[in-house]
Amino acid sequence: KNEVEQSPQNLTAQEGEFITINCSYSVGISALHWLQQHPGGGIVSLFMLSSGKKKHGRLIATINIQEKHSSLHITASHPRDSAVYICAVSRVSRLTFGEGTQLTVNP
Amino acid sequence: EPEVTQTPSHQVTQMGQEVILRCVPISNHLYFYWYRQILGQKVEFLVSFYNNEISEKSEIFDDQFSVERPDGSNFTLKIRSTKLEDSAMYFCASSRGGGSNTEAFFGQGTRLTVV
Repeated sequence: KNEVEQSPQNLTAQEGEFITINCSYSVGISALHWLQQHPGGGIVSLFMLSSGKKKHGRLIATINIQEKHSSLHITASHPRDSAVYICAVSRVSRLTFGEGTQLTVNP
Repeated sequence: EPEVTQTPSHQVTQMGQEVILRCVPISNHLYFYWYRQILGQKVEFLVSFYNNEISEKSEIFDDQFSVERPDGSNFTLKIRSTKLEDSAMYFCASSRGGGSNTEAFFGQGTRLTVV
């Protein structure tokens, strides 16, 4: 069983829709990260959180430490949000990654 | 905005050849990492590096791999004798601190193709 599980694996939405991507983990962590990977391959950090909720523009990330669960929400989705969204957890000096969620937002 | 820079962006090499992947971390960062992503798979940790030595490595990081900080700016990953299964995207990352609550910044990656 993977230490970090994401759902769904693939998500197609229409422009303007509210999107939720979920992440569950099975190990003790110090922080959880949400990252974005574009088709060219580069990885960009979106959020790092260890409790509560963070917001940046149209993106919101939440974490529930007791339930070992985090969600990434995108409000008013846009085609430029199309990318792979990856959940990763910090343990010691390494990040352990989930499989990623491929998001496609159609105009 | 400071960024992690990786070169080359794409390298093709013959099986058995040595390759060196190069990274310039963000200048005031002290911790450096290599990750890899085989096509269609998730990103995997290879190694972390601090104060001129390896601080942690994964089971993937065997004797074929080595890392070095040859000067004050570069951080390199060497694969001594490449195998077909080494074909992957290799990401360098750096962070200011080494605690697990420190954000890591990633480079754009080097796509290594072993033929």
